[in-house]
Amino acid sequence: AQTVTQSQPEMSVQEAETVTLSCTYDTSESDYYLFWYKQPPSRQMILVIRQEAYKQQNATENRFSVNFQKAAKSFSLKISDSQLGDAAMYFCAYRDSGNTPLVFGKGTRLSVIA
Amino acid sequence: GAVVSQHPSWVICKSGTSVKIECRSLDFQATTMFWYRQFPKQSLMLMATSNEGSKATYEQGVEKDKFLINHASLTLSTLTVTSAHPEDSSFYICSAREDFSAQYFGPGTRLTVL
Repeated sequence: AQTVTQSQPEMSVQEAETVTLSCTYDTSESDYYLFWYKQPPSRQMILVIRQEAYKQQNATENRFSVNFQKAAKSFSLKISDSQLGDAAMYFCAYRDSGNTPLVFGKGTRLSVIA
Repeated sequence: GAVVSQHPSWVICKSGTSVKIECRSLDFQATTMFWYRQFPKQSLMLMATSNEGSKATYEQGVEKDKFLINHASLTLSTLTVTSAHPEDSSFYICSAREDFSAQYFGPGTRLTVL
């Protein structure tokens, strides 16, 4: 079974600085999708960024970018110019190419210090 | 982005009663919907997957007779917690998949059983 590991339960970053959240996964599939979701205190899950495994280019969405290392099965999230509104739980998630459920990591709680 | 609504956002009920939670995809058709349960400071736990017009597929350990799921149309899925007990108190989140890559989440329902 696929697993997703987030080894950092908590992280903190100064406002305007850059922070990287780690995520590793285990799968025997060659085609799959990876996601980062943000869950602020409102508890609404928000899709931050997604990556298709067949794409070598790392996904980027404004201040959010990923470092996708397929061979190492690593999928880290970099947040640049951190803002107070970035404070939230961040979940890394994996999904096969078929219509299968997301597999979530345990999450990383990010604090942003003013 | 795609919007998923959930109703009610919070509900308090007496032990032994049943509660129905609705999940709607507002601007897209969702062939697959998912129901999750989230305990405080934990990740999302998948309860079941439902496809429109088919019976839901429940995860191991989830009682299908207690958590009734109906996916009557491409935009509506319901979760009914039958004969609720205090241990069923939790945060329930639905999610809808638009296509093979994007999955969007509702804002969640906080259930408190007295």
